[in-house]
Amino acid sequence: AQKITQTQPGMFVQEKEAVTLDCTYDTSDPSYGLFWYKQPSSGEMIFLIYQGSYDQQNATEGRYSLNFQKARKSANLVISASQLGDSAMYFCAMRGGTSYGKLTFGQGTILTVHP
Amino acid sequence: EPEVTQTPSHQVTQMGQEVILRCVPISNHLYFYWYRQILGQKVEFLVSFYNNEISEKSEIFDDQFSVERPDGSNFTLKIRSTKLEDSAMYFCASSFDRGSSPLHFGNGTRLTVT
Repeated sequence: AQKITQTQPGMFVQEKEAVTLDCTYDTSDPSYGLFWYKQPSSGEMIFLIYQGSYDQQNATEGRYSLNFQKARKSANLVISASQLGDSAMYFCAMRGGTSYGKLTFGQGTILTVHP
Repeated sequence: EPEVTQTPSHQVTQMGQEVILRCVPISNHLYFYWYRQILGQKVEFLVSFYNNEISEKSEIFDDQFSVERPDGSNFTLKIRSTKLEDSAMYFCASSFDRGSSPLHFGNGTRLTVT
């Protein structure tokens, strides 16, 4: 079974600053993937970034990067140069290698970007 | 860019009634999913579907729930006899594979059971 934990119910950041959203996971699968999604107040789920358990380098996608520390079982999302439009709920999710593709989601972190 | 479409966007039904939520996944995707999210809370897995059969389901997905892919493009979730606690946002999702491909989500159907 997989478990994803996001311990920050809410985070605040000033516009143009960087912010880190925490995610820890637990799994017995040797192969797995970690995903981050953004859910704005309009409700849609937007895929941001993916990290595979065997990837040697941390994933990056534009202003999003993933601080992947396998030994610590953490996959924190870093958003650089925050924008007002980044205000949303952020979910960390995991797919285990033995699953049929489902993602298991964490509880989410609400990010508020202040001007 | 191709997207997952869901209809209706909002459905109101009375307790005990049957509802069918409809989804059109991305055309070359092979894996299909239903999730639900009770207002502002965690996104909960219901069921995954591959090769015309259920591949995995959660404890939430009891006998009141069923899924179907009737015609090779639509993917439906049926709730046979709705309860008040079924009120939630229901998301359909699809993915190309079960490895590194992300799930692409539809915009959801908000189900309100009165």
